[in-house]
Amino acid sequence: GAVVSQHPSWVICKSGTSVKIECRSLDFQATTMFWYRQFPKQSLMLMATSNEGSKATYEQGVEKDKFLINHASLTLSTLTVTSAHPEDSSFYICSAGATISYEQYFGPGTRLTVT
Amino acid sequence: DAKTTQPPSMDCAEGRAANLPCNHSTISGNEYVYWYRQIHSQGPQYIIHGLKNNETNEMASLIITEDRKSSTLILPHATLRDTAVYYCIVTNNNAGNMLTFGGGTRLMVKP
Repeated sequence: GAVVSQHPSWVICKSGTSVKIECRSLDFQATTMFWYRQFPKQSLMLMATSNEGSKATYEQGVEKDKFLINHASLTLSTLTVTSAHPEDSSFYICSAGATISYEQYFGPGTRLTVT
Repeated sequence: DAKTTQPPSMDCAEGRAANLPCNHSTISGNEYVYWYRQIHSQGPQYIIHGLKNNETNEMASLIITEDRKSSTLILPHATLRDTAVYYCIVTNNNAGNMLTFGGGTRLMVKP
């Protein structure tokens, strides 16, 4: 089946620094990728929809200048958390839609801890 | 996308069938029922989806009522590795559509 990878799987950074998370579709092309955030014991919350070659669409309440999304190719989307703060500590998950099978495939997630 | 309602938690004995219900009374005609599960600290995993007919694959069976207002995911022989949060999601069958996750059902399979 289709595979989506994320890198890194976990990262610890200091408050005020920026962190980039990569999401790759390994064996299929994805015009659209999605970024979710999940806090402990909560469900996944959609942050933004990433479209190849165009600007991302952010959900209400998500700061686009803080969470920079770039979808430069059909197999790669990146999420950059700028000027990270402890409250940004969370589990970040991406997904990609496979056009052929109409299914969403999820990455393994990236656990971000901001100290 | 239509809203879904699931019980917050369920227990199941190892080796027995796990039946997870989902209500989606506002589902529209072109919306599918998808099931995903999330094992602790991992990304969600696709299980199965259907429109109106019952579906079966190597992981599970999906039973959709005739009026499509509810469905049941069946894990025929639950194992300890099936302990996870199971999400029922209703959406159009379009790879460009986002998935809206509700609270899901936390299934605990016990020995």
